[in-house]
Amino acid sequence: GAVVSQHPSRVICKSGTSVKIECRSLDFQATTMFWYRQFPKKSLMLMATSNEGSKATYEQGVEKDKFLINHASLTLSTLTVTSAHPEDSSFYICSARDPRVENIQYFGAGTRLSVL
Amino acid sequence: AQSVTQPDIHITVSEGASLELRCNYSYGATPYLFWYVQSPGQGLQLLLKYFSGDTLVQGIKGFEAEFKRSQSSFNLRKPSVHWSDAAEYFCAVGTNAGKSTFGDGTTLTVKP
Repeated sequence: GAVVSQHPSRVICKSGTSVKIECRSLDFQATTMFWYRQFPKKSLMLMATSNEGSKATYEQGVEKDKFLINHASLTLSTLTVTSAHPEDSSFYICSARDPRVENIQYFGAGTRLSVL
Repeated sequence: AQSVTQPDIHITVSEGASLELRCNYSYGATPYLFWYVQSPGQGLQLLLKYFSGDTLVQGIKGFEAEFKRSQSSFNLRKPSVHWSDAAEYFCAVGTNAGKSTFGDGTTLTVKP
């Protein structure tokens, strides 16, 4: 099946630094990717929809300047957590919509972000 | 706006026993429905989906789900659970734009 690669799987950073997370679709071109945040024992919360070649669409309550999304190519979207603080610590998951199959998205393995 | 309710936060079954995980959804149009499984520290794997047609859908790993429009439900079943099925299970409803709303998940524990 289709594969989505997410990197890094785990990152620890100091408060105030920025962290970039990459999401790649390995065997299909994804014009649309999604970024989710998952708190412990909780569901996935959609943060934003990343569209290739255009600005991301953020969900209500998600800070655009805090969570920068870039979708510069058909196989890569990046999420940058800027000036990270401990409350940004979470599990971030990306997914990519496969245009070859109706309404199917494939998920990356997630990134565990810990901000000290 | 769509929503998903998974009434059971945690379910424990014995290995070899049958399993049913409940899911109720709210959506104004014909729903796209999904079940995903998540192992600890991992992303989500699609178990099965329903878009239209036969209301009983078969998925991977021996799972099946039945769409019941009158009950707004999409319950997941497996006739005989294996220890490797222990994981977090998410039901989701999607729009044709590709966005999905997830339930809060059900944690499945399998007793030996």
